[in-house]
Amino acid sequence: QQQVKQSPQSLIVQKGGISIINCAYENTAFDYFPWYQQFPGKGPALLIAIRPDVSEKKEGRFTISFNKSAKQFSLHIMDSQPGDSATYFCAGGGSNYKLTFGKGTLLTVNP
Amino acid sequence: KAGVTQTPRYLIKTRGQQVTLSCSPISGHRSVSWYQQTPGQGLQFLFEYFSETQRNKGNFPGRFSGRQFSNSRSEMNVSTLELGDSALYLCASSLLAPGGYEQYFGPGTRLTVT
Repeated sequence: QQQVKQSPQSLIVQKGGISIINCAYENTAFDYFPWYQQFPGKGPALLIAIRPDVSEKKEGRFTISFNKSAKQFSLHIMDSQPGDSATYFCAGGGSNYKLTFGKGTLLTVNP
Repeated sequence: KAGVTQTPRYLIKTRGQQVTLSCSPISGHRSVSWYQQTPGQGLQFLFEYFSETQRNKGNFPGRFSGRQFSNSRSEMNVSTLELGDSALYLCASSLLAPGGYEQYFGPGTRLTVT
């Protein structure tokens, strides 16, 4: 019941387009949903996070949409740029102090 | 503020050996978590420490252990290394203020077991 399913595995978007990555979770005890961005050779960097009491959170070009009843959440990257090319991970967390991660999405933004 | 630091960054070991990895959290952060990252399994939780106490442990064999010191620095140890232990080992620190679960990762230690 700890699984977080992430899709797609890879995504190619043109510069200026919208990138959308989806995640679904099973554990209803999760109350924290972060997204991380990882570049090759680097550790994951916290991008944006949401709690289940809100349905949407926006920070710059990055937006999380959250659907509690469907147990799904997604990351939208507006006006995608080549510099956004990275691997993105969603995760679920709760009071047990650990994050359960999705398998990751490799995003490529073509110039 | 300095980020999470991990040493060493790269390590090559032989099967059967043991290894110790080190993590220094962000100043003021008292929680340290460890994760293993592999291409096949992704990011998997190893354990979490707060005030020198292990509060949670993932599904890894007993060969994987850790500890935290009074200054919040943490170490993890892997004994009797196996080829499958080759991975990027990531440390993350957290302030754990009320309502806050934000975890900030270090650059990782790349362990290669031959």
